[in-house]
Amino acid sequence: DAGITQSPRHKVTETGTPVTLRCHQTENHRYMYWYRQDPGHGLRLIHYSYGVKDTDKGEVSDGYSVSRSKTEDFLLTLESATSSQTSVYFCATGPPSYEQYFGPGTRLTVT
Amino acid sequence: SQQGEEDPQALSIQEGENATMNCSYKTSINNLQWYRQNSGRGLVHLILIRSNEREKHSGRLRVTLDTSKKSSSLLITASRAADTASYFCATWKNRDDKIIFGKGTRLHILP
Repeated sequence: DAGITQSPRHKVTETGTPVTLRCHQTENHRYMYWYRQDPGHGLRLIHYSYGVKDTDKGEVSDGYSVSRSKTEDFLLTLESATSSQTSVYFCATGPPSYEQYFGPGTRLTVT
Repeated sequence: SQQGEEDPQALSIQEGENATMNCSYKTSINNLQWYRQNSGRGLVHLILIRSNEREKHSGRLRVTLDTSKKSSSLLITASRAADTASYFCATWKNRDDKIIFGKGTRLHILP
């Protein structure tokens, strides 16, 4: 797993509440990614970072924001959670030209 | 929109048989990767093939790439129960900061 952890691993929250997911890496990778995985959709990129304080949007970024103040941490925030954001969220690190390393995932349920 | 599309969506074969899954993509790429995901886990990198390569092997895995047809195939020989998983292809274009995943093929090995 190349030293990638995600927290929390499971979370149930109510519609309208803010939620922050954390990804932590120990390999000093420059690139970090947040994906969501839903049945029938595979993995879809939410946001990614190419360095400290350098982030960009992926294909499904609406309703999500990210921050990266340190190389090792990449935070994903749902400002006001909706039921459509119920999903499994994966963090990954690694250069895009080579293999990526994935965290164990966070299962988020918005009720 | 997603770059890679795997085919078939699901595949069931007897243990010991070979499993073949395909990936088609839309634009020129610099490399293509295959990943495996066991149920409830993060993705694990299997193999990377560059655009100037036509075939690559790793243990029981054989990957081919046909850039003229914009397609790749993953062959798993002598399948085992432990090969039951979802398999994803992912493509990378030069100077892009991200890779794009397909929706995956669910492989089930029957005893």
